[in-house]
Amino acid sequence: AQKITQTQPGMFVQEKEAVTLDCTYDTSDPSYGLFWYKQPSSGEMIFLIYQGSYDQQNATEGRYSLNFQKARKSANLVISASQLGDSAMYFCAMRESIRTGANSKLTFGKGITLSVRP
Amino acid sequence: GAGVSQSPSNKVTEKGKDVELRCDPISGHTALYWYRQSLGQGLEFLIYFQGNSAPDKSGLPSDRFSAERTGGSVSTLTIQRTQQEDSAVYLCASSLFDGGGSEQYFGPGTRLTVT
Repeated sequence: AQKITQTQPGMFVQEKEAVTLDCTYDTSDPSYGLFWYKQPSSGEMIFLIYQGSYDQQNATEGRYSLNFQKARKSANLVISASQLGDSAMYFCAMRESIRTGANSKLTFGKGITLSVRP
Repeated sequence: GAGVSQSPSNKVTEKGKDVELRCDPISGHTALYWYRQSLGQGLEFLIYFQGNSAPDKSGLPSDRFSAERTGGSVSTLTIQRTQQEDSAVYLCASSLFDGGGSEQYFGPGTRLTVT
């Protein structure tokens, strides 16, 4: 079974509007972390935001926030006030066993393409 | 400060040849990771280093793939007898420490094309 699922093939948003990018995950490990990365057309992977499974509050980082619904196993990224420079591929990723450190790798979803329209 | 660097940025090689891909992590980062990104498979984990040792090599697709890290810094990923299915972008990442929410900082990648 896929550990990270990103089903939206492509998203469009008007400049200055908010957009939500969906991510669901599958793990039986109680200790995990969820990450979002942005990959513009230039190819570099840019870290955006992190949410730990034990964090009491949803993570926020500037215009990025994470809508973390643990019972539903979803970790959707919300981008507020979209800008043209937000056009990119967005990847959701998970690291398991974060408390024991037994697993260090990131498992990525397939990604979502976001296009911001002027 | 300097980010993660990788060389070469592009590599075209003939099927059957060996290639070496290099990664220079951010100074002081103890953890180093190799991933590969291809159209069909998305982003796949290959190998992880903590210092010079590799506790997790589970993602290496075959024994044609190997990697080493020296001096707790530079890492080299070697692919022997390259095949066309090895064509992909190979990404290196490093993190300050291994654990929790320590984010991984990625390099620009090496685009490998096997003809």
